[in-house]
Amino acid sequence: AQSVTQPDIHITVSEGASLELRCNYSYGATPYLFWYVQSPGQGLQLLLKYFSGDTLVQGIKGFEAEFKRSQSSFNLRKPSVHWSDAAEYFCAVGRMDSSYKLIFGSGTRLLVRP
Amino acid sequence: NAGVMQNPRHLVRRRGQEARLRCSPMKGHSHVYWYRQLPEEGLKFMVYLQKENIIDESGMPKERFSAEFPKEGPSILRIQQVVRGDSAAYFCASSPRSAGPQETQYFGPGTRLLVL
Repeated sequence: AQSVTQPDIHITVSEGASLELRCNYSYGATPYLFWYVQSPGQGLQLLLKYFSGDTLVQGIKGFEAEFKRSQSSFNLRKPSVHWSDAAEYFCAVGRMDSSYKLIFGSGTRLLVRP
Repeated sequence: NAGVMQNPRHLVRRRGQEARLRCSPMKGHSHVYWYRQLPEEGLKFMVYLQKENIIDESGMPKERFSAEFPKEGPSILRIQQVVRGDSAAYFCASSPRSAGPQETQYFGPGTRLLVL
């Protein structure tokens, strides 16, 4: 069965520092991978997605993610974090069946120190 | 171009009452997904609908929950005889005409249901 693991429940970084959020997936075929961000009390906003091609994907707000098939990972990175990046981040894999539903990880809460 | 709209944003019900959650997809989108987010957890798929059709309801609890997406009007998620365990945030997402894994799902702001 497909699953998504985000091993870090909370991460705290200082403003201006670099960031990497981990995501590992379990999926039998080529995965369709997504990162979403959720600000408190809000819905989810898509940061970036990977379907095929270049394994380094650029997203909005300066985020990027790298697909590594050998490690079953799709880690999210940002070179310099801003205070406004404090939020919850969800990795998801899209199923290739009739519904194309998303399977989400449990999320990583990012705190940014001033 | 308005995004996915959900109402109400917050809903309080007493045990045994009914909850009706509404979702209006983005203009031009004909595919609607409902997800539930329990406290401190990720989103879990509930149901996928197209106009007048339920395509996949594998994530719906077997009892008390139902969903529809009529030809006209919003999609409705209905929870009958609510219990405290139904307290959660319910998110609706929509995607464009053809759906598929390459189509982005756009999420609404969610309805936060509290059952007293």
